[in-house]
Amino acid sequence: NAGVTQTPKFQVLKTGQSMTLQCAQDMNHEYMSWYRQDPGMGLRLIHYSVGAGITDQGEVPNGYNVSRSTTEDFPLRLLSAAPSQTSVYFCASSHALLIPPETQYFGPGTRLLVL
Amino acid sequence: AQKVTQAQTEISVVEKEDVTLDCVYETRDTTYYLFWYKQPPSGELVFLIRRNSFDEQNEISGRYSWNFQKSTSSFNFTITASQVVDSAVYFCALSEQGGATNKLIFGTGTLLAVQP
Repeated sequence: NAGVTQTPKFQVLKTGQSMTLQCAQDMNHEYMSWYRQDPGMGLRLIHYSVGAGITDQGEVPNGYNVSRSTTEDFPLRLLSAAPSQTSVYFCASSHALLIPPETQYFGPGTRLLVL
Repeated sequence: AQKVTQAQTEISVVEKEDVTLDCVYETRDTTYYLFWYKQPPSGELVFLIRRNSFDEQNEISGRYSWNFQKSTSSFNFTITASQVVDSAVYFCALSEQGGATNKLIFGTGTLLAVQP
């Protein structure tokens, strides 16, 4: 049971390049989400998914795309990287439709630098 | 709108001192959930506690304790007899209620430095 895994751990991009941050979980969680962490800003929700084929926007979705073709994977795509997207990205997952909501499991993070 | 405020950006204490991290939240929901996470220098996020809005009992876990007061919309975290290993960024978070989502709204975090 690997939990939530993220790849790569660190990436450097040039402005305008595209890339995909990978996230996978092996806990059969319905709910998956992406956050970005910036100094002084805490973690902010980018996109989330409540199941395969269902995604929605969070607080800061601009410049990012997501898709959820399987329960296990939830990749985050940067279409044209900008320096403002330099950040640490965390993927998280949990079961959905639970009261109280289940604690989310976070991946180890991907540190992205856009030059 | 929902919001979590951690007014203390950085706190520095000497080992064995007690320290309290403040968290104030805003929400219109009558049912909500509050969380604390720890982020050590290694960067991962470690879950510490979840509290629901109907349970105002204080909770103690070893050297950690939490004080939830609905009247002041606060969910403060106290570390007793702090240790160097407690040095980390601590985040308070609020969970929206409703639907299938499990969205978390985070505060900006408090950096705790425990000096030996």
